[in-house]
Amino acid sequence: EVQLVQSGAEVKKSGESLRISCKASGYTFISYWISWVRQMPGKGLEWLGKIDPNESYTDYSPSSQGHVTISADKSIATVYLQWSSLKASDTAIYYCARSGANSWHLDYWGQGSLVTVSS
Amino acid sequence: EIVLTQSPGTLSLSPGERVSLSCWASQSVSSSYLAWYQQRPGQAPRLLIYGASRRATGIPDRFGGSGSGTDFTLIINRLEPEDFAVYFCQQYGSFPWTFGQGTKVEIK
Repeated sequence: EVQLVQSGAEVKKSGESLRISCKASGYTFISYWISWVRQMPGKGLEWLGKIDPNESYTDYSPSSQGHVTISADKSIATVYLQWSSLKASDTAIYYCARSGANSWHLDYWGQGSLVTVSS
Repeated sequence: EIVLTQSPGTLSLSPGERVSLSCWASQSVSSSYLAWYQQRPGQAPRLLIYGASRRATGIPDRFGGSGSGTDFTLIINRLEPEDFAVYFCQQYGSFPWTFGQGTKVEIK
């Protein structure tokens, strides 16, 4: 069974750093991309970027480029999303999601990680 | 960047009704790389349709997708109580991947 299990809720202050995780199981980790998707309170979905875990090649949206970093550790089948300096506007639920093998739709999703940043 | 616009913003319907949701793209979506997701309150999104018209595994056949180029549609026949949710379209044909703003289907 394919599973993406995300790390728990975080409460941080503006300017602090943070790394959240997404642990994959039930499939060949290096064969599928993992994306991060943001959902701000009461709002829609926003794609932040994706990583190919095999070679750690990444693509970012223009709005997230330079503000977040996506990385992967093949040895433990885990993908990370990290910030070096959080802003209050980073308050959101963050989902990781897997891209299908033959097409890049997001076929499996993690349960979401709530990040709350206070100013 | 491809901008996706969904219409309408909210629909108020009764169980058993048929619903049609629209998604328009600002540029042609290559290879019909258009997906639809359902998000129930407090849950992660769930893939319904990919490739514009292909149902994902386990999705009931009352859900159907159609369209190509810049115009796409999600049809739900005979609304069930569990179908009242928010629906998002997404294009994954060119980076950055983008989502529509969502259509909420609520109980009338």
